[in-house]
Amino acid sequence: QVQLQESGPGLVKPSETLSLTCTVSGGSINTDFWSWIRQPPGKGLECIGYIYYSGSTNYNPSLKSRVTMSVDTSKNQFSLKLSSVTAADTAVYYCARQNRGGSFDSWGHGSLVTVSS
Amino acid sequence: DIQMTQSPSILSASVGDRVTITCRASQTINNWLAWYQQKPGKAPNLLIYKTSNLESGVPSRFSGSGSGTEFTLTISSLQPDDFATYFCQQYNNYPWTFGQGTKVEIK
Repeated sequence: QVQLQESGPGLVKPSETLSLTCTVSGGSINTDFWSWIRQPPGKGLECIGYIYYSGSTNYNPSLKSRVTMSVDTSKNQFSLKLSSVTAADTAVYYCARQNRGGSFDSWGHGSLVTVSS
Repeated sequence: DIQMTQSPSILSASVGDRVTITCRASQTINNWLAWYQQKPGKAPNLLIYKTSNLESGVPSRFSGSGSGTEFTLTISSLQPDDFATYFCQQYNNYPWTFGQGTKVEIK
């Protein structure tokens, strides 16, 4: 059973860059697609984008200008950078495995990132 | 983006009840629909994929159906562990989008 774990700062200042890493264990990152999803407190879920082990990406158009994803197959990790953050980017950020065309069958526990000065 | 609308937003039910949650898409999604359960402070958990396929390890009291733009999640006999929030998700057109959620609470 593959497991995912997010890591990164829990507090980011406005206008700075949010950076998170997801470590995959119990399986290889060299299959499937790997996603970032966020959930503002008390609200619904939003897909940020996904990356394949080859490095190809697909981003949500609403965030595309601020998002960069990367993958490190040697460490079985993939990462998210979101630039020019505002309070509206405060959310729990989840990494997840995207499978069977687009459903998410494995999730990390989630990482709360607060944007505040 | 495809909009996903769930109803009801809140559902009050008792243990043993049959429960149905509806999800409507703003355009056809070719049965590329999943359902998730989320408990407070936890990540969502996949229940159903491709409209009606039960994820491994998910109890058989959960089932999914539908086509076109209208889909349902049914819990045949509600158990204490099932009080949670449920989300639908379309993955026919990127960005994948989720419904706003249905909270199933104790009556």
